Amino acid sequence: QQQVKQSPQSLIVQKGGIPIINCAYENTAFDYFPWYQQFPGKGPALLIAIRPDVSEKKEGRFTISFNKSAKQFSLHIMDSQPGDSATYFCAASKSLARGKLQFGAGTQVVVTP
Amino acid sequence: ETGVTQSPTHLIKTRGQQVTLRCSSQSGHNTVSWYQQALGQGPQFIFQYYREEENGRGNFPPRFSGLQFPNYSSELNVNALELDDSALYLCASSTPTGGDEQFFGPGTRLTVL
Repeated sequence: QQQVKQSPQSLIVQKGGIPIINCAYENTAFDYFPWYQQFPGKGPALLIAIRPDVSEKKEGRFTISFNKSAKQFSLHIMDSQPGDSATYFCAASKSLARGKLQFGAGTQVVVTP
Repeated sequence: ETGVTQSPTHLIKTRGQQVTLRCSSQSGHNTVSWYQQALGQGPQFIFQYYREEENGRGNFPPRFSGLQFPNYSSELNVNALELDDSALYLCASSTPTGGDEQFFGPGTRLTVL
């Protein structure tokens, strides 16, 4: 069964808009939550990651919001650009299983000019 | 510093055959994880190798096996190929001292006919 549920499946925004992707998990042992970006024909590349001891983390135009009590986290892409068009995956892992990521199903984001 | 490399890039096999995929980890990374990514899906964890030993396995049958060599490179072997094995196979490397961050290779696209 999928341990990390991701939504929406796809998203279209105009340049400058803020795509928001949501993920939910059930396993409270998860303590590392990364987001990956994947372009066609390429492997996933780490964008940003968060741990449960903080509620928000920003790196450049990418922001993760984390709600521990709701077991949800989300990715916001500020001032989105056409070059941000890609598939985004949330993931989770636990300290007793380092490097064994459980991925969401992915969100295809299209940013129109 | 060289990144994670995988070979071959593409591979076509027929049902029942066997296949070997190869991965060279990023310099200094002694842990290698393998993932299977079906079309339109998120990567699924197959297994991880650390110090030449299997260090955890996902929900994959024994016909999926692997090796890690003293230089930390790794192989994924799949026996008795099935049509559903058609996917992008990703290798990711990491280091225990580098936290949870994993670096993915570009993947090998396997097609089973």
